[in-house]
Amino acid sequence: EPEVTQTPSHQVTQMGQEVILRCVPISNHLYFYWYRQILGQKVEFLVSFYNNEISEKSEIFDDQFSVERPDGSNFTLKIRSTKLEDSAMYFCASHRGLDGYTFGSGTRLTVV
Amino acid sequence: QKEVEQNSGPLSVPEGAIASLNCTYSDRGSQSFFWYRQYSGKSPELIMSIYSNGDKEDGRFTAQLNKASQYVSLLIRDSQPSDSATYLCAVNDVEGTGANNLFFGTGTRLTVIP
Repeated sequence: EPEVTQTPSHQVTQMGQEVILRCVPISNHLYFYWYRQILGQKVEFLVSFYNNEISEKSEIFDDQFSVERPDGSNFTLKIRSTKLEDSAMYFCASHRGLDGYTFGSGTRLTVV
Repeated sequence: QKEVEQNSGPLSVPEGAIASLNCTYSDRGSQSFFWYRQYSGKSPELIMSIYSNGDKEDGRFTAQLNKASQYVSLLIRDSQPSDSATYLCAVNDVEGTGANNLFFGTGTRLTVIP
C-alpha cells in the first residue's frame, strides 16, 4: 500500500536554528498538507498546498514557516528560527481529492 | 473557527463488547467526516469516512452521522485489545474533494480490557 514518507523521524535542534522537514507524498496525490501535534494536544492544521501553491494556512503558520515542492516528489516544511514552542510531532498528509487523507509517520521535532 | 468536540475518556470496555465513541461539530456547513485511529507516538490512520446521514459499516466498525444534530459516532463491535488507541474525529468542508483542511477533535482514548 502506498505510503507518505517523512524524514527525519526525530530531529533535535537548538532554539533559533532553521530546520527543514521533508515529506514524499503518495505519487498520484494532488493535495498536500502539514499538521502538527504538540504532546498531549489535538492535531492542528498548518498549511495546505495544491497546484504548486499554498491553498490555505492557519494562524500558526506565520512568517517563520514556509513550504516548498522543490521537485516532483518532495514536499518540505521549513521553520526559519525555531522556538521552544515549536516542539511537536509534524505530520505530512496527502490525498487525491476523493477520500480521507493519508498521513506520514511524522517527524518529532525537539527544540532545546 | 470550527470546533470538533469529543470526550477525552478514557473509555474502558471489556474484550468482545461494543465501544461507542461520539463527536459533535459546530459548523453546520460541514459535509465530510472521518474517524482516525492513533496509537501512542504514531500518526493518525484513517478508519472510516462518512458523508451522508445514516450508518456506514466496514467490518467491525460502523460510523453514524446525524447532520441535523451535528453528531457523528463510531461503533466498534467485538472490541479487541488491539483496538486500544486514541480515536480522532475529523471534519472538513468539502464532500471528499478539494484542498480543505481537517479540523480534529482532541480524541477519545479507548482501552479494551482482555
